[in-house]
Amino acid sequence: AQKITQTQPGMFVQEKEAVTLDCTYDTSDPSYGLFWYKQPSSGEMIFLIYQGSYDQQNATEGRYSLNFQKARKSANLVISASQLGDSAMYFCAMREGMNRDDKIIFGKGTRLHILP
Amino acid sequence: KAGVTQTPRYLIKTRGQQVTLSCSPISGHRSVSWYQQTPGQGLQFLFEYFSETQRNKGNFPGRFSGRQFSNSRSEMNVSTLELGDSALYLCASSSDWGLNEQFFGPGTRLTVL
Repeated sequence: AQKITQTQPGMFVQEKEAVTLDCTYDTSDPSYGLFWYKQPSSGEMIFLIYQGSYDQQNATEGRYSLNFQKARKSANLVISASQLGDSAMYFCAMREGMNRDDKIIFGKGTRLHILP
Repeated sequence: KAGVTQTPRYLIKTRGQQVTLSCSPISGHRSVSWYQQTPGQGLQFLFEYFSETQRNKGNFPGRFSGRQFSNSRSEMNVSTLELGDSALYLCASSSDWGLNEQFFGPGTRLTVL
């Protein structure tokens, strides 16, 4: 079974609009971490935001926020006021367990296109 | 502070050959992780090194190996290349092993003909 599911292969959004990128995950471990990365066409992966399973509040980093719904096993990324430079692939990832030996598993990604 | 660097950026090899990729982490970072990215399989974890020791390994055949040097630079080697090894190979560094925030390099694009 897929551990990380990103159901939107591609999205087109008008500049300045807010964007929500979906991510659902599957784990039976009560301790886990969720990440979002951005990959522009240059190929470099850029860390955006992190949410721990025990964090009480949703993580926020500038224009990025993570809508964490634990019961639904959902960790959607919200980008406010989108910009042309936000066009990229976005990956949701999870590390199960708080053991530092645990690997990070990535979803298949969502390609976001911001339209002028 | 310089970011993660990977060399070479592009590589073309033929089946059966072997290849060595290099990664220099951010200065002061001691952990280096390697990932393979393909359109079909997405991003897959290869291995993680910390202080010259392999801490973690993904589900890849033994043809994929790596090492880390005392200056934290890491190399990844793939022997007996197959067509399916064509991929973008990404290296990521962090200040400690297993930390949440990793800084990625630009990747090495390997094409196997």
